[in-house]
Amino acid sequence: QLQLQESGPGLVKPSETLSLTCTVSGGSISSSSYYWGWIRQPPGKGLEWIGSIYYTGSTYYNPSLKSRVTISVDTSKNQFSLNLSSVTAADTAVYYCAEVAGSFAYWGQGTLVTVSS
Amino acid sequence: EIVMTQSPATLSVSPGERATLSCRASQSLSTNLAWYQQKPGQAPRLLIYGASTRATGIPARFSGRGSGTEFTLTISSLQSEDFAVYYCQQYNNWPPRFTFGPGTKVDIK
Repeated sequence: QLQLQESGPGLVKPSETLSLTCTVSGGSISSSSYYWGWIRQPPGKGLEWIGSIYYTGSTYYNPSLKSRVTISVDTSKNQFSLNLSSVTAADTAVYYCAEVAGSFAYWGQGTLVTVSS
Repeated sequence: EIVMTQSPATLSVSPGERATLSCRASQSLSTNLAWYQQKPGQAPRLLIYGASTRATGIPARFSGRGSGTEFTLTISSLQSEDFAVYYCQQYNNWPPRFTFGPGTKVDIK
C-alpha cells in the first residue's frame, strides 16, 4: 500500500519561501506509470492543484502559481519537494502531496502551513 | 482553463435516502473526471475515476455517470459515514492542468 507523508515548517513568514517535502513509502517514486503532485486547501475552502512532477524531473504547474512554484524530485530518497516563494497570508493552507494518475488515488495526511509574522 | 461547477452547494438528505450530486465542466472532458469525498480533518478520498469506475474499496452505493460536460455522482442509500463534502476534478488537459469543482456538502436533514 502506497503511503505519502508531508513534512516541513508549519509557520512561514510573509515574503519568505515555503518548503515542504513528501516522502513516499510502499512503492517507488521512479515508477513510470505515475506523476507526483501537490494540492492545497485554504481553511474552510476548496482544493487547488499546485503542480506535478514526473520522476525524470518534468514539471507542470498551475498557471496561477507558476511564477512562484518549484517542484523537484529526489529518486534516491524516494521524495519530492515543493518550494513556494514570496508567500503571503493567502498561501495559508493545508498542503497535500499525492500520487497522480490523472486522478489522485493516494494522498498524504496533509500539513497546515500558516503564513504569519 | 477548464472551469468546474458543482450543484447544489449543500444537499440535505435523510439517512437511507438517495443523493444525486452534479458537476459541470466548461468544455468537454470525455470521461476524464474523478469524484472525491472529504471529511473534516481528513485528506480527500478518491471515489470514482474515469467518470464511472469505482476506486478500490469504494462501496457499490456510490456510482458515477456522465461524459462530455455533464456528470453526476449518486449515493443510492446514504449511510451516516457518507455525510461529507464531495468534489469533482477534471484531468482532461495535456499538459496537465487539473482543476477541482467548489464542492457539494451533503449534510443530515
